[in-house]
Amino acid sequence: KAGVTQTPRYLIKTRGQQVTLSCSPISGHRSVSWYQQTPGQGLQFLFEYFSETQRNKGNFPGRFSGRQFSNSRSEMNVSTLELGDSALYLCASSPGTSNEQFFGPGTRLTVL
Amino acid sequence: AQKVTQAQTEISVVEKEDVTLDCVYETRDTTYYLFWYKQPPSGELVFLIRRNSFDEQNEISGRYSWNFQKSTSSFNFTITASQVVDSAVYFCALSEEDAGNMLTFGGGTRLMVKP
Repeated sequence: KAGVTQTPRYLIKTRGQQVTLSCSPISGHRSVSWYQQTPGQGLQFLFEYFSETQRNKGNFPGRFSGRQFSNSRSEMNVSTLELGDSALYLCASSPGTSNEQFFGPGTRLTVL
Repeated sequence: AQKVTQAQTEISVVEKEDVTLDCVYETRDTTYYLFWYKQPPSGELVFLIRRNSFDEQNEISGRYSWNFQKSTSSFNFTITASQVVDSAVYFCALSEEDAGNMLTFGGGTRLMVKP
C-alpha cells in the first residue's frame, strides 16, 4: 500500500503571498490531519478533516484553511504569508478515529 | 486541557547501552490514547505504538518496550541495546476520545547514539 504523499516537498514564497499544500492519504483512510512543526513551537495541530468535513481545528488564525475532497485528498491553504509561517507542514492519515495516524514526508515552506 | 511533557530534550548514549525516554501527560478524560513516534533526520514521523487508557499492560517489540502507568500519568519508552540507527527525535503524543484524531505532542527528545 502506498504511504501518505505530500506535494510539493519544498516551497519558497515571499511575505504576503498565499500557498496551497496537497496531501494524498493512504488508500481507504478517511481522516486527514495537518500539523505545523517549527523549532520554537514544536508540533502543533492545525485541523482534521473526516469525510470532507472539518472535525477539529487547532489554535491558528483564519489565514490557515483547508478542505477535503470526496477521494479523501486534502489541501491546506495559507493566505497572506508571514515570516513566522516558515515551517514543516505534516499531513497524517488515519482510517477512522483514535487509530494510529500515518504521516507523510512533509512540505517544507520557507517564507522570505 | 491536555498536555504532554518530555523533560529530556536531548540524550546521548554509546551504542549497546539501554536508554529510557520519559513521557508525562495530563488529561481530564478517562478515555484517551497515547502514542510514540520517531522522527529521523529525513523528517517523516514514523508510528511506533498506540496505547489506550484502559490497557496498562506493558508492551515489548524487539528492542523496544513501553511502560504505561496511569498512577503517575507516564508512558515511558525504553530502547534496549541501542544502535546508531536509533538516533532520531522521539515524540510522545496524546489524543482524547472526544477530540477526533487531534494529537497533542510533547516537545520531543533527541536521542544520539554514538558508535
